[in-house]
Amino acid sequence: GENVEQHPSTLSVQEGDSAVIKCTYSDSASNYFPWYKQELGKGPQLIIDIRSNVGEKKDQRIAVTLNKTAKHFSLHITETQPEDSAVYFCAASGYSTLTFGKGTMLLVSP
Amino acid sequence: NAGVMQNPRHLVRRRGQEARLRCSPMKGHSHVYWYRQLPEEGLKFMVYLQKENIIDESGMPKERFSAEFPKEGPSILRIQQVVRGDSAAYFCASSPPKGPYNEQFFGPGTRLTVL
Repeated sequence: GENVEQHPSTLSVQEGDSAVIKCTYSDSASNYFPWYKQELGKGPQLIIDIRSNVGEKKDQRIAVTLNKTAKHFSLHITETQPEDSAVYFCAASGYSTLTFGKGTMLLVSP
Repeated sequence: NAGVMQNPRHLVRRRGQEARLRCSPMKGHSHVYWYRQLPEEGLKFMVYLQKENIIDESGMPKERFSAEFPKEGPSILRIQQVVRGDSAAYFCASSPPKGPYNEQFFGPGTRLTVL
């Protein structure tokens, strides 16, 4: 089955800095790669996703890149703000079920 | 447009009791997925259902756990004879009827504590 590795497990940045979270996956059949943000006590919120026919996607301060050959994808957050502090999960999927990484706790200090 | 609804938000059970977790998908969605999240862990897939059908239950423990999504009403995840290891957050997600089925929107979760 699919296996997703996510790094780092924790990331501390100063407000205004950029943050990068990286994931690798094992199943070459996976073609959908979403990123979720989870705040304390809440459910995961889909923030951006990318499909295998696209190498990069951007939405305001967040962007995701995908390298299918190397089987890795990354989340980039620019101009971080304290409200970006949360746990971020990457996931990979072929058809329906999602396989998640273990998460990255991002802390943005004012 | 209401999102995915789950209840109860918190559930406390003693060992040996039954836990019933309910999930109502987003309006118009007919595919439901259950995931379990242990502390400090990512979400693990349990089961995928459509109305009146279990599509994939490969992540479901073989014993004590069952799930249904009846024609009318919410999806139910049922855990019989709970043990302390069942303590976790259980999340439900839904996706549109014609896909993409992996574009899933999550509810707020039910946090189960087994005493």
